[in-house]
Amino acid sequence: NAGVTQTPKFQVLKTGQSMTLQCAQDMNHEYMSWYRQDPGMGLRLIHYSVGAGITDQGEVPNGYNVSRSTTEDFPLRLLSAAPSQTSVYFCASSYGSAGGNSPLHFGNGTRLTVT
Amino acid sequence: AQSVTQLDSQVPVFEEAPVELRCNYSSSVSVYLFWYVQYPNQGLQLLLKYLSGSTLVKGINGFEAEFNKSQTSFHLRKPSVHISDTAEYFCAVSVWSGGYNKLIFGAGTRLAVHP
Repeated sequence: NAGVTQTPKFQVLKTGQSMTLQCAQDMNHEYMSWYRQDPGMGLRLIHYSVGAGITDQGEVPNGYNVSRSTTEDFPLRLLSAAPSQTSVYFCASSYGSAGGNSPLHFGNGTRLTVT
Repeated sequence: AQSVTQLDSQVPVFEEAPVELRCNYSSSVSVYLFWYVQYPNQGLQLLLKYLSGSTLVKGINGFEAEFNKSQTSFHLRKPSVHISDTAEYFCAVSVWSGGYNKLIFGAGTRLAVHP
């Protein structure tokens, strides 16, 4: 049971570099989302998707892009990394939209440092 | 706007003692409420949820929570904690926006169980 798989686990970037955080799930979940976790601020929703080809912004979308070409994958792109994007990033998925009968399944996170 | 406030950032407690982690939410409409737990270096996993019905909800690992509509609270309790309960606990509320449910998380409460 792979569940939600995030890669890489750790990443260090220089300011201005770009990168993609990968997220894949093998549970045929329609809903996928990205959160960032910062001390004292809990988890904040960056972007989410309710199915292939459909994405929308969360609470803190600036500086991040997403796309959903398949049900399984939901990559998060940082086009020009900034120190303020230093955080732990979590991908999560659920069968229905989040907050109903279907719980969110989380990956183990990607720890990103931007210098 | 709906929001979640976790009133304690850290809660130290001795093993076998009872514990209560407090959560208040703001909402003008009916809500779905959740508690998630995060063990070190892992993603979050669902402890329990309130969707409707009985206001006392039982979850995994002996935890329970009570939904109090008049006080807009959803406090998490356990009558006797173990060392293995040391983790960070997040309260979350479901938000209906743009035709979909999304989860909004509180800032988290770090539970430290001491021998």
